[in-house]
Amino acid sequence: DAGVTQSPTHLIKTRGQQVTLRCSPKSGHDTVSWYQQALGQGPQFIFQYYEEEERQRGNFPDRFSGHQFPNYSSELNVNALLLGDSALYLCASSSIAGVLSGEQFFGPGTRLTVL
Amino acid sequence: RKEVEQDPGPFNVPEGATVAFNCTYSNSASQSFFWYRQDCRKEPKLLMSVYSSGNEDGRFTAQLNRASQYISLLIRDSKLSDSATYLCVWSGGYNKLIFGAGTRLAVHP
Repeated sequence: DAGVTQSPTHLIKTRGQQVTLRCSPKSGHDTVSWYQQALGQGPQFIFQYYEEEERQRGNFPDRFSGHQFPNYSSELNVNALLLGDSALYLCASSSIAGVLSGEQFFGPGTRLTVL
Repeated sequence: RKEVEQDPGPFNVPEGATVAFNCTYSNSASQSFFWYRQDCRKEPKLLMSVYSSGNEDGRFTAQLNRASQYISLLIRDSKLSDSATYLCVWSGGYNKLIFGAGTRLAVHP
């Protein structure tokens, strides 16, 4: 059973560019959340997708957008990249049971570097 | 004030030591609390949930004090493999996780 997968593993972009990160949830999971983890910090919640809609959102600007597909996979898009967007971007999936247990399964992350 | 505050450490302890991590949270409406573990350059993984009555999982004991808005994690008989960052987490509805910055633990021989 494949866990959460993310692509690409690493990415280098320059300021002002746009980036798309991808995530496939764990089998049987229907909810995908995205987190940004800066160096030395804990993950920060960006947004969550369920039934192809953004269910809730953290304190991130509109430059951060996402999408969920019918197969539950998800994309995170960031426009007009800033140096401060350099971070590890984590995707986490969960199911209804996970809502109660608090367990989210995280992917290995995409490390984005903005130059 | 940060939603979750943790001592960043690092805590450097010898094998076999007992070590305790503390965490405070600011949202009194928080319902669910957890400890996650994150190894260097890896993704976070759930270590254990935290219940009001306190709960234990092997060498790990978690405590929650709602009145003081305080959570703790106790690790007994530390192993080298316990070296990691321990993240204090609460769930803010629909399993939106709010993480602390983490406490680094280094266990040495």
